[in-house]
This record gives sequence, C-alpha cells and structure tokens, in this order.
Amino acid sequence: RKEVEQDPGPFNVPEGATVAFNCTYSNSASQSFFWYRQDCRKEPKLLMSVYSSGNEDGRFTAQLNRASQYISLLIRDSKLSDSATYLCVVPSGSGYALNFGKGTSLLVTP
Amino acid sequence: EAQVTQNPRYLITVTGKKLTVTCSQNMNHEYMSWYRQDPGLGLRQIYYSMNVEVTDKGDVPEGYKVSRKEKRNFPLILESPSPNQTSLYFCASSPHGGGAKYGYTFGSGTRLTVV
Repeated sequence: RKEVEQDPGPFNVPEGATVAFNCTYSNSASQSFFWYRQDCRKEPKLLMSVYSSGNEDGRFTAQLNRASQYISLLIRDSKLSDSATYLCVVPSGSGYALNFGKGTSLLVTP
Repeated sequence: EAQVTQNPRYLITVTGKKLTVTCSQNMNHEYMSWYRQDPGLGLRQIYYSMNVEVTDKGDVPEGYKVSRKEKRNFPLILESPSPNQTSLYFCASSPHGGGAKYGYTFGSGTRLTVV
C-alpha cells in the first residue's frame, strides 16, 4: 500500500452541496494528520489538523478512523471559493517528515 | 508577518549552470524542508533540516545540495541542473521535530525551468 492514497477526482459539485473526500494511509503509528488546500500553482495551506477522532471548523469536518487507517474531509454548503485541490498529509514512518497524498481536485460550480 | 520567503519565484536557466534557490523563515522554526511538485507525482521531499548544521536526505535528493548555517535560512543548491529538475519547488518550515505534530508553513514556491 502506498503511504498516502487519495482519489484524484475531479469532484464536480454545485454550490451548496456537501462533498466528502477520503484518504487512506499505511503508517499505523501516525498520531497526527492534516488536510491542506492548494490552489492552482500556489503553495499548500494548512486547512485542518486532526489529532483524535475528528475535528470540526465551520463548514469543514475531518474524521479519523484509526482502525481502518483512513481520514475523511467533509465540506458542507460548498462555495465557489472552495474549488481547489485538497491534500491529505500523514507523518512518515520516521516521524521526521510529512508524506503528502497527490490530492483530490474539487470544482464547485454555480 | 510570519512567513517563509523563497527567491526567485520564477527562474529559467540552462543545463549545467549552478543555481541557488533561497529560503528564509522569520518564525524561529527549527525544522525546514524542501519539496518538489510535479504533475501526477505530488509533493516529494528533497532534503530536510532538523536544526542548524543538521540536514538529511528526503525521497529525491539526487542532484541537490542544502546547507543550514543559520536557523532562518535553508538554501537549495543545484550544482549542475538538468532538464529533469524542471519543477515547482516549495520550501517549508515547522516549529519542532519534523512537523509531524504541527504541520508545515510553505513558501510561495519557485518555478524552475532548465533548458
């Protein structure tokens, strides 16, 4: 299994829709997880950190399932400005680096 | 403003001409790292540094060098660039350890083209 795997998408959803992305990881010892957002040709920006079973921030909810080794990101009431690539990030086996998934592309349409 | 600053933002160079991409952070972070991003391959780590004078290879170190003489600076050196090093490069920093707990703050990126 690859260290971090994501469905590349693209996910095309209308404004106001709810969309969910999943990410699976191989390092069972990982304690912290992250979702980053990356706009085209720009730097990734931290969206959410996940340390326990889940985390909620406004319209965004991240959930962690350690038994199945997957993380999900739920976006409610999608906005046009949510269109971006979402990167799932998991610490490496050494813990000294972060492994990035290849990203899931989201396009929110009017 | 807390930030990671990379320079240059864009660079076109010729094969074999040595170049340096600079990275500086003003957050007193211990950990710094370089990534390259290529279509279909995602972000791959080149080198990282746990602190001053402590560096180590990432997943794709071939053809690159780094140094960490000061806490704030972590330059990426391409001694003899080749076309396969054409890529989008990001510098990142984190307060401690490996960023495994705090996540990274990224610079704005350097788009390098080697012809």
